Amino acid sequence: EAQVTQNPRYLITVTGKKLTVTCSQNMNHEYMSWYRQDPGLGLRQIYYSMNVEVTDKGDVPEGYKVSRKEKRNFPLILESPSPNQTSLYFCASSLLGVGETQYFGPGTRLLVL
Amino acid sequence: AQKVTQAQTEISVVEKEDVTLDCVYETRDTTYYLFWYKQPPSGELVFLIRRNSFDEQNEISGRYSWNFQKSTSSFNFTITASQVVDSAVYFCALSEGDYGQNFVFGPGTRLSVLP
Repeated sequence: EAQVTQNPRYLITVTGKKLTVTCSQNMNHEYMSWYRQDPGLGLRQIYYSMNVEVTDKGDVPEGYKVSRKEKRNFPLILESPSPNQTSLYFCASSLLGVGETQYFGPGTRLLVL
Repeated sequence: AQKVTQAQTEISVVEKEDVTLDCVYETRDTTYYLFWYKQPPSGELVFLIRRNSFDEQNEISGRYSWNFQKSTSSFNFTITASQVVDSAVYFCALSEGDYGQNFVFGPGTRLSVLP
C-alpha cells in the first residue's frame, strides 16, 4: 500500500530535550515536505526537499532541522524544543513538479511542556 | 501577504443544505495549481481535487463541485445536499514555483453539518 508514515503519532516532551520525528514514504517520490498545523493558521511549510541531500527552508524553519540522506526518509529534528513548537506536524511527499499532488502522513501531535 | 485566503472560518449548515466554501488566491506565476483537501475529525488530510491554471472548466464529482475563476482569483467549493459526514475542516492550497516547491495552504474552513 502506497503511504507516508510518521512516528511517533503522539509525543509529550519537555523544553530543551532533543527529539526526532521520522517520516518515510514508499512511493519513490523525489519531493518531501514538513508542515505544522496551528488553529487559524492552516498548514505552514517548515522545510522541503526536492531530492536526496537537497533541502530548503519553508515559511517557518526556525527551531527545526531536517536531513535527506535517503530518498524515502525525511526526519524532522527539534534540537531544543520550546513550548511554541507545540503543534500538529504533517509530513508529505509527491513527485517533483508543479501541480503534483502531495500525499500526507497521519500527523504527529507534539506537546512541549 | 497571505497567498491563499479562506475568509470563512466556520460554517454551520443543516443536513441537505447546499454550502459553498470560498477560496481566493494570489500568485504572479502563470502556471500554478490549486487544490482542495479535507481534514475530517480523525485528523488525516484527504486530497479532493487539483486544478491547473489553464483549465477553468468547472468540475463536478458527485455532490461536490468546484468553480475556478481566474478573473477573480477564486476557486470555490460547493457541497450539494450536505451530509453529516461532510463535517470537516477544508483547506484550499496553491502550488507554484518551477518545481512546485512552493505549496501554500489557506487557513481552512471548519464545516459543521448538523442532523
